[in-house]
Amino acid sequence: GQNIDQPTEMTATEGAIVQINCTYQTSGFNGLFWYQQHAGEAPTFLSYNVLDGLEEKGRFSSFLSRSKGYSYLLLKELQMKDSASYLCAVRTGGGNKLTFGTGTQLKVEL
Amino acid sequence: NAGVMQNPRHLVRRRGQEARLRCSPMKGHSHVYWYRQLPEEGLKFMVYLQKENIIDESGMPKERFSAEFPTEGPSILRIQQVVRGDSAAYFCASSMQGGGGNTIYFGEGSWLTVV
Repeated sequence: GQNIDQPTEMTATEGAIVQINCTYQTSGFNGLFWYQQHAGEAPTFLSYNVLDGLEEKGRFSSFLSRSKGYSYLLLKELQMKDSASYLCAVRTGGGNKLTFGTGTQLKVEL
Repeated sequence: NAGVMQNPRHLVRRRGQEARLRCSPMKGHSHVYWYRQLPEEGLKFMVYLQKENIIDESGMPKERFSAEFPTEGPSILRIQQVVRGDSAAYFCASSMQGGGGNTIYFGEGSWLTVV
């Protein structure tokens, strides 16, 4: 079966850096997505990794190690608006079926 | 608005009634996916459709749930004889193609409450 683990909650300070980890055990891995979801809103695409290494996009970076079944999302210069749930999702097979973790609720404090 | 459009945003149904949720994909997208998010749980895949075809329905409950994506009009997720356990947020997503590096974009969801 597919299994994706991420911490349930994290707290960080405005202006700081936070790393949200995601580990997965899946068959037929074909890419990993990170989404941001504010309460009552749509998940918003943040990043996509299919090869090992770091992908940087502004204040957000995502890293993937396929051999370790591990990814992280790095958020820099945290802002209050970054308080949200961060969802790790793995695509398996040739289609676009995503398996999601339960999400990490990030709280940014002053 | 060029995003994935879902309606209704909120729907209340009594047990035993039918719920119909609609989804219009982003312009240029021909692949539609439905996901369900129960309280305190992650998004769960339900079904993947292309125009007139169901590609993968491995996440759909065997009974009462059906989905379609006709040639003309929105995709519809239909839940017959709703029960309290169907109360959830139902998200539609779309992509331009079905695989590779195609990004999947989500709509704002339809919140179903069964009373």
